[in-house]
Amino acid sequence: DAGITQSPRHKVTETGTPVTLRCHQTENHRYMYWYRQDPGHGLRLIHYSYGVKDTDKGEVSDGYSVSRSKTEDFLLTLESATSSQTSVYFCAISVVSGPNSGNTIYFGEGSWLTVV
Amino acid sequence: DQQVKQNSPSLSVQEGRISILNCDYTNSMFDYFLWYKKYPAEGPTFLISISSIKDKNEDGRFTVFLNKSAKHLSLHIVPSQPGDSAVYFCAAKEGGQFYFGTGTSLTVIP
Repeated sequence: DAGITQSPRHKVTETGTPVTLRCHQTENHRYMYWYRQDPGHGLRLIHYSYGVKDTDKGEVSDGYSVSRSKTEDFLLTLESATSSQTSVYFCAISVVSGPNSGNTIYFGEGSWLTVV
Repeated sequence: DQQVKQNSPSLSVQEGRISILNCDYTNSMFDYFLWYKKYPAEGPTFLISISSIKDKNEDGRFTVFLNKSAKHLSLHIVPSQPGDSAVYFCAAKEGGQFYFGTGTSLTVIP
């Protein structure tokens, strides 16, 4: 258990409305990520954060913004939801595996978002 | 452009036999590689990893092989069990970013 909680777990929203997904971690890890998973595309990075108020774009950042005001929380906002943003969203944290290992990324349980 | 590729969307294997999942990458700056397993309606779970300075890492029934010259890694599962049926993702790390393949759906037939 990586101590990651995502909320909401399921949401249906209308096109054009803003939506915020929350990721909460309990272990003060520095790096946090938001991915989306879609058939045929695997897991694609939306945004990531390397510290409080330090964020950067991933592969598919258009239409999304993020904020990290506290170490434990990483918020993903869809400014104006579109049907193409219907997806499963996964939050993740990066953990150093050991002195001779690299970082390992651990995922939350996912947030299913449907935009109608 | 996809930097990490899994060219086989699906694979079926008989129980007890070996499962071999393959992954190719294009970025020579990747320094760490990982495999994840995903069941429906759950988040991906970490399986095994390998540093770019190694060519093999083993953990129980799971072995990952890395061929840097070919930019290829593979995951061997032996013996395969029905509970191994899932989608497997390979991933590669550069700096603070992790890049994932599109996944291979493994079915282990009892």
